[in-house]
Amino acid sequence: LAKTTQPISMDSYEGQEVNITCSHNNIATNDYITWYQQFPSQGPRFIIQGYKTKVTNEVASLFIPADRKSSTLSLPRVSLSDTAVYYCLVGWSGGYQKVTFGTGTKLQVIP
Amino acid sequence: DTEVTQTPKHLVMGMTNKKSLKCEQHMGHRAMYWYKQKAKKPPELMFVYSYEKLSINESVPSRFSPECPNSSLLNLHLHALQPEDSALYLCASSQVQGQGYEQYFGPGTRLTVT
Repeated sequence: LAKTTQPISMDSYEGQEVNITCSHNNIATNDYITWYQQFPSQGPRFIIQGYKTKVTNEVASLFIPADRKSSTLSLPRVSLSDTAVYYCLVGWSGGYQKVTFGTGTKLQVIP
Repeated sequence: DTEVTQTPKHLVMGMTNKKSLKCEQHMGHRAMYWYKQKAKKPPELMFVYSYEKLSINESVPSRFSPECPNSSLLNLHLHALQPEDSALYLCASSQVQGQGYEQYFGPGTRLTVT
C-alpha cells in the first residue's frame, strides 16, 4: 500500500478556495487516489476519486500531475461547515478493499 | 439509496456483558467492513467480508466476533470487552471489484465499556 503524507492541519477563511496536498511517492500503476471527509463522531464520507489529470464533481476538484506522486484536493469557497478532517488514500481494490487511513488533515474554517 | 445504517447509536456495557452491533446496507455491495476509531485518530480496519465470507481479520482479539448473515447485514458481537475497547465503531460497504477505495460509511456506534 502506498504511504501518504498530508499536512496535519490547515486554517482558511470562509469564502476562500482551499487546496490540500497529499504526497504519495510510491504510488503503483494500478492505484487510484481517493479523498474522504470526516466530521467529529461521524463516519467518513467519500468525496472524490481519480487516477490522473483532473476530476471534478459538485463538491470538489482533484488535481493529479502527470507523475502521480502527489495530488491536490481543491475545495471552492469553503464555509464553516467544511471544517473537518480530510483523508487521502491511495490504492487499488482489485477485490475487497484493505484500506489504511493516514493521519489526515484537520481543516479549520474561520469566519 | 447510498445509506449505511448502524444500530445502536450509543452503547454502554460492562466488561462481563454480551452485546451486538448491527449494520445494514441496500446498495447491493458485496464487501462490508468493520472499523474502530479512537478519539482524534484515523479509522483502523478490523474485519472485511467479501461475498459474505470473512476475507480479512486484522489480528483483532477474539472478544470481537463478526458475522455476516446475508449480503445486506453485518454484525459485530462483543463479549468480555475491556475499557480500552471504548471507541467509535464504524461499518462500511463497497463494491468488491471497484477501482479505488470508494466506501460508504455508516454513522457509527459509540461504545463505552465500563
